[in-house]
Amino acid sequence: GDSVTQMEGPVTLSEEAFLTINCTYTATGYPSLFWYVQYPGEGLQLLLKATKADDKGSNKGFEATYRKETTSFHLEKGSVQVSDSAVYFCAPSHGNQFYFGTGTSLTVIP
Amino acid sequence: DGGITQSPKYLFRKEGQNVTLSCEQNLNHDAMYWYRQDPGQGLRLIYYSQIVNDFQKGDIAEGYSVSREKKESFPLTVTSAQKNPTAFYLCASGLMGGNTEAFFGQGTRLTVV
Repeated sequence: GDSVTQMEGPVTLSEEAFLTINCTYTATGYPSLFWYVQYPGEGLQLLLKATKADDKGSNKGFEATYRKETTSFHLEKGSVQVSDSAVYFCAPSHGNQFYFGTGTSLTVIP
Repeated sequence: DGGITQSPKYLFRKEGQNVTLSCEQNLNHDAMYWYRQDPGQGLRLIYYSQIVNDFQKGDIAEGYSVSREKKESFPLTVTSAQKNPTAFYLCASGLMGGNTEAFFGQGTRLTVV
């Protein structure tokens, strides 16, 4: 079945540092790919998405590119802020099912 | 405003009692989902429903029950058979027929006392 492997955390960065969170997936079909963000005590919010190969999703300075050849959807941001501290989830979606990674906790220190 | 609402935000239960978590959406979504989240872990699927009066078990359905009598509502009952119910519960909804995103509620934190 479909599955996702996400970079383990926690990750601690200084403000303005570069961020990469790796995500790879296995899928029998052709999934859409999502990154969600969860702030403490809250539900998940969609951060960005990509629905086909080579698509780049972007939002709030975050980017991720759908790489079909490597089955990856790595999340990047060039300069993180303290307000980016949260848990990030990679989630392929196929056939109305979502396959969530374990989440990567990010803490950004001033 | 359209959205998905979970209530209550915090819930305390005595051992041996059943408790029901509410989830309501006004997004006109056919699909609804319940997930469980434990500290430092990802989301695990409990139940999902793709149409009124129908639902399927997820990966960890034991000790839980659901109903889907209305399109807008998908309540989750945590029964006394659930041995370790303390967790954060998330409800989500989404459109059918495509690889579209899920919309999440704010979650309910259940604590057994």
